[in-house]
Amino acid sequence: DQQVKQNSPSLSVQEGRISILNCDYTNSMFDYFLWYKKYPAEGPTFLISISSIKDKNEDGRFTVFLNKSAKHLSLHIVPSQPGDSAVYFCAASANRYKLVFGAGTILRVKS
Amino acid sequence: ETGVTQSPTHLIKTRGQQVTLRCSSQSGHNTVSWYQQALGQGPQFIFQYYREEENGRGNFPPRFSGLQFPNYSSELNVNALELDDSALYLCASSPAGTGGYNEQFFGPGTRLTVL
Repeated sequence: DQQVKQNSPSLSVQEGRISILNCDYTNSMFDYFLWYKKYPAEGPTFLISISSIKDKNEDGRFTVFLNKSAKHLSLHIVPSQPGDSAVYFCAASANRYKLVFGAGTILRVKS
Repeated sequence: ETGVTQSPTHLIKTRGQQVTLRCSSQSGHNTVSWYQQALGQGPQFIFQYYREEENGRGNFPPRFSGLQFPNYSSELNVNALELDDSALYLCASSPAGTGGYNEQFFGPGTRLTVL
């Protein structure tokens, strides 16, 4: 049972434009959400997180939005850069130790 | 500050064999989690260790077992290997155990191939 879903396997964006990656979840007990970025031959790298008591969190070019009623979160990258090309994983947690990951979205930023 | 390291990088085993994967946590981190990432999927939680005790377990059979040592490094052991165990095994460390949430920092992984 897929509790965290990333429905877009891939996304292609022009350099300088906005990238929007989406994630849906089904478990209403999730109270903490994270985004990780993964390059080939490397482990996932933490990008940004958000607690369920917030609906937005920003860190530089990265902003995460959480819509609890829709059980949906999104990651916005503005402006997108070629170095942002990677696999992006959405993850969620309900119990402080286990992360539940989506299947990932491949982002390609074209220069 | 040294990040999370894992060994070996790649490993090839045959069905029925046993394997041990190793992980050194990031300096100052006392909690280690293990994940299995099959091709085309996201990482799946196997278990977590905090202060040498198992602190939670995902939906994996008992032939997946682990250890954490006093220096917080960890091992993942898999017995009676099956073809479906072929995956990237990721170790992640975080600076706290129960009670508070901390982001997990991942190592580069061990690619296990079972023939």
